[in-house]
Parts: sequence; structure tokens; C-alpha cells
Amino acid sequence: DTEVTQTPKHLVMGMTNKKSLKCEQHMGHRAMYWYKQKAKKPPELMFVYSYEKLSINESVPSRFSPECPNSSLLNLHLHALQPEDSALYLCASSQDRTVSPLHFGNGTRLTVT
Amino acid sequence: GENVEQHPSTLSVQEGDSAVIKCTYSDSASNYFPWYKQELGKGPQLIIDIRSNVGEKKDQRIAVTLNKTAKHFSLHITETQPEDSAVYFCAAREYSTLTFGKGTMLLVSP
Repeated sequence: DTEVTQTPKHLVMGMTNKKSLKCEQHMGHRAMYWYKQKAKKPPELMFVYSYEKLSINESVPSRFSPECPNSSLLNLHLHALQPEDSALYLCASSQDRTVSPLHFGNGTRLTVT
Repeated sequence: GENVEQHPSTLSVQEGDSAVIKCTYSDSASNYFPWYKQELGKGPQLIIDIRSNVGEKKDQRIAVTLNKTAKHFSLHITETQPEDSAVYFCAAREYSTLTFGKGTMLLVSP
């Protein structure tokens, strides 16, 4: 089992809904990441938080809004999504932003109808 | 930015055979090279990594080699087992950005 926990495992939402994805780690890591993964593709970086501050936003549309309430938690708020946003959303953490291993959660499978 | 090429895209082997997956990278500043295994319905799992000051690293049936001059690194799996079947991603990291290869689907037949 992974040490990065993501909830929910599956989510179906309409285009007018507002929902949130949650991620939690208790490894004392100070960098946390959101990735998006489409079928048969590698993960694509969306956001990076370092010491609870947003340090990288890979030009992600504003309908995705990240939040890092504390060093163990990472949220991704979703609003007015499009069907093409359906994907596996992966959270990851690492000791820091430099050369240290990334540990991934098992993801939230999101379907936008 | 960094560009990582991974080959082959699919690899089928018989149980007990060896499997080799190769990656090349473009940015000579990259100094950390992890390999991830992703099983169906799960997130990528780190299986082995290597830093640029090391040429080879081994962990039981898995080994990774790095050639900094040629900018390529490879994953070697010996004595493959059906449970090794998965998608494998290589990646290269320079400071904070991890760039993934496109993945290799490994199928190990009993």
C-alpha cells in the first residue's frame, strides 16, 4: 500500500458540479504535487507545493484550484469541468523539491459527464 | 526543457527471460533518474532510482545503468515473473522538474 492516501478513489461529476480531491501523507515530506494522467500516457505535472506555498503552476486552467492547508494535506478543488478533464488525478510527495524520490498515491479516477 | 525518449513502447517476454527498457535524455543538467512501475488501477510505484554520480545500481532482480556521456539509462529485469507485467516509466529530474518517458508496457507470459 502507498503512503500517500487519496480520496475518493472514484468520482463522477457533472459539468456544473463543485467537488474536491484530497491527498494526505504522513512521511514529513515538504513538497506535494498534483499530476494528471490520461490513459496510456505518462503523468503530467499540474501543481507543486513547497513548504505549503504554491511554487509551480503548469498553466493549468482556473477550473482547477489547488490548496495546501498544512504540510500533510493537499486538496484539488474542481469547478465547471469539461468532459476532456476526465482522467486519473495523482498526488505525490517528496522530502523536498530537489533531488529526492517522488512517492505517488493511487489516484482518483475522475469522470466528467 | 528536458526531453526523455523511452523504448520500446511494448515488450513481451516469456517468464524467466530478461527484459531491458532504454531511455535517453536531453538535458545534461539532469542528475536523478527514477524508474516507476504502474499496475492497472494504481499509481506509479518507485522501483529503483540512480543519481548521476553512480553508473549502476542493483536491487535483487532489478538493475539500472546510467551512461552520462551518452545521456542514456536502462532498466534491466532478470528472471521475469508474470507479476512484473505492468507499465514502466523512466524519468529524469533536474532540480525540481521530473520529466517522464512515454512508458513501456511489459507483458510477461507464463
